[in-house]
Amino acid sequence: EIVLTQSPGTLSLSPGERATLSCRASQGISGSQLAWYQKKPGQAPRLFIYGASNRATGIPDRFSGIGSGTDFTLTISRLEPEDFAVYYCQQYNSSVWTFGQGTTVEIK
Amino acid sequence: QVQLQESGPGLVKPSGTLSLTCAVSGASISRSDWWNWVRQSPGKGLEWIGEIEHNGATIYYNPSLKSRVHISIDTSKNQLSLNLNSVTAADTAVYYCARDRAHSGRWAFDNWGQGTPVTVSS
Repeated sequence: EIVLTQSPGTLSLSPGERATLSCRASQGISGSQLAWYQKKPGQAPRLFIYGASNRATGIPDRFSGIGSGTDFTLTISRLEPEDFAVYYCQQYNSSVWTFGQGTTVEIK
Repeated sequence: QVQLQESGPGLVKPSGTLSLTCAVSGASISRSDWWNWVRQSPGKGLEWIGEIEHNGATIYYNPSLKSRVHISIDTSKNQLSLNLNSVTAADTAVYYCARDRAHSGRWAFDNWGQGTPVTVSS
């Protein structure tokens, strides 16, 4: 089973700053099956990025994803107040979906 | 617009069976896509439970839960179901159903229910 490790665990930043979130897979995966989700307390997860680099419907262009093989990155170019949340990466391989443990982006 | 709504008992006794349904509206569950269950235990991250193909022909489970879980689909009611047996306190979580759809060959969970909390306690 492929394990996804996200870093850092917590990112403390101010609005307007740039956020860089990492997701590392224990073995190489297909970038076409790597997604990122935003999760806020009391809300359902929301798809932000699919196929490693494609923004989902309605996601602003300050969010971008890149990566291949074992290393993937989600970047938020300028943090807005609504962006402070937990972000999870997810991958699919051999009939199993797995999530990373999440990165919390908190207001500094 | 597709909407998913989970429902079921909010309290289950230890060693009992957790049974949830997810009603899908705005789309036919049997037409396409895969349908999933995901949970989040208090203070923890997201955990994938399993998924079922739109026609019920293929089902995949999280290996760590495979011996206790069963997912099914009822096309006549346009809903999917989750059964998890021999539950313990570790199964206390918010349970979500989600649609897994391909976007130009890239699969992702693009639609989620609001989640339903389940507590395992006597």
